Amino acid sequence: EVQLVESGGGLVQPGGSLRLSCAASGFTFSSYWMSWVRQAPGKGLEWVANIKQDGGEKYYVDSVKGRFTISRDNAKISLYLQMNSLRAEDTAVYYCARDWRVAGFDYWGQGTLVTVSS
Amino acid sequence: QSALTQPPSASGSPGQSVTISCTGTSSDVGGYNYVSWYQQHPGKAPKLMIYEVSKRPSGVPDRFSGSKSGNTASLTVSGLQAEDEADYYCSSYAGSIPVVFGGGTKLTVL
Repeated sequence: EVQLVESGGGLVQPGGSLRLSCAASGFTFSSYWMSWVRQAPGKGLEWVANIKQDGGEKYYVDSVKGRFTISRDNAKISLYLQMNSLRAEDTAVYYCARDWRVAGFDYWGQGTLVTVSS
Repeated sequence: QSALTQPPSASGSPGQSVTISCTGTSSDVGGYNYVSWYQQHPGKAPKLMIYEVSKRPSGVPDRFSGSKSGNTASLTVSGLQAEDEADYYCSSYAGSIPVVFGGGTKLTVL
């Protein structure tokens, strides 16, 4: 059974940093692109970043470029999102998702809430 | 990076059919056959319902179908059931922007 379990969310002050983790199991992690998708409270979904199987290609939504870094450790079967210079508008539930075909996501974690507030 | 346009709400009675639209541009929906649809119940993670415009993942009922014409994609739910009440989101490949989502549609089963 495919499982994605996020952790690392919490309350952080504006300008602060946070590192999210996603532990994967039930599939060959190293064979898939992986993504982070976020959802602000009461709002829609927003794709944040994705990373190629070997970590050699990474893409970001414009609003997080230069502040967020996606990475992965295939040996630890884990996906990460380092978030720096956090802003109030980054407040959201962050989901880890497995990329499916082109621009699809077939498995999602339960999400971890990041709240940026003073 | 503008979101795709979806109606905020849609509704239908049990057994009826309802169609939700997703309008983009020639740079996303109209330019590629890479439109996906997701169902999200309150407090839950999204679930993939349709990918590549009209393909259904294993386990998704055939009551759910997808199509595309020009810059607009559509999700049709036939034989509405109470459990279909949820938020639905479309997404599309957009070239240099790997993924863009729609704003979401709340489907109410009357």
